[in-house]
Amino acid sequence: TQLLEQSPQFLSIQEGENLTVYCNSSSVFSSLQWYRQEPGEGPVLLVTVVTGGEVKKLKRLTFQFGDARKDSSLHITAAQPGDTGLYLCAGEREGGADGLTFGKGTHLIIQP
Amino acid sequence: DAGVIQSPRHEVTEMGQEVTLRCKPISGHDYLFWYRQTMMRGLELLIYFNNNVPIDDSGMPEDRFSAKMPNASFSTLKIQPSEPRDSAVYFCASSPGTSEQDTQYFGPGTRLTVL
Repeated sequence: TQLLEQSPQFLSIQEGENLTVYCNSSSVFSSLQWYRQEPGEGPVLLVTVVTGGEVKKLKRLTFQFGDARKDSSLHITAAQPGDTGLYLCAGEREGGADGLTFGKGTHLIIQP
Repeated sequence: DAGVIQSPRHEVTEMGQEVTLRCKPISGHDYLFWYRQTMMRGLELLIYFNNNVPIDDSGMPEDRFSAKMPNASFSTLKIQPSEPRDSAVYFCASSPGTSEQDTQYFGPGTRLTVL
C-alpha cells in the first residue's frame, strides 16, 4: 500500500488547458513537497507547504495543502509544453523519521 | 557548486556481480540520502546519513545492499551479489538539514541494469 497516492497516474492534455493533480493520504504530514522530474534527471523541488490550508503560487502553478494536512493538490493554469514531466509529491510524516515518503508521481504531457 | 555528483551514470552488469554506486554530495550538506526509483514502486528511500553516520537503513531491501559514508564528501551504495530485480535508477540526494525549509538536492541518478 502506497502511503501517498497520486492521481491521475498519467495525463495528456493540449497546450492552454488547465489541470489539477492530487496527492492523498490517510496519514498526517508535518510538511509536503512537490517535485518535478525530467527524463534522465533527478527530481527538483518546486515548493514546500507546511501549514494546513496553505496555498502557494509559483507563476502558473498553484499548490494547496489540505486543512487536515493529509492531502495536497497542484493546479496548473494554461499549461505549456515546458510543463511536461513527472510531478512527485513527498511528505514528512508527523512524528516520523526524517526521510521523505514519495508518491509514485503523475506523468504529465502537454501537447502543442 | 556542481551539485550532487553520481557515478557511473549507467551501469550494465550480469547477475551475481558486485555493483558499486558512488555519490559526492554538495559541500556543507550534513544529510545524504540514497533512493531507488522504479515504475512499479516509484521513488523509495533506502538509507540516509547525518554527518556521515547512518541514521535509518530500514528501506534497504536486503543484506545484499550496503551503504557507507567514509567522509563528508563521499558515499557508496554496494549491491553484492546483484540480481535482475535490482534494476532501477538509483538517486543520491543531499540536504543541509531536515527541517521543512531544507531542500533535498538530487543527483542525476545511476541507471542500473542487471542482466
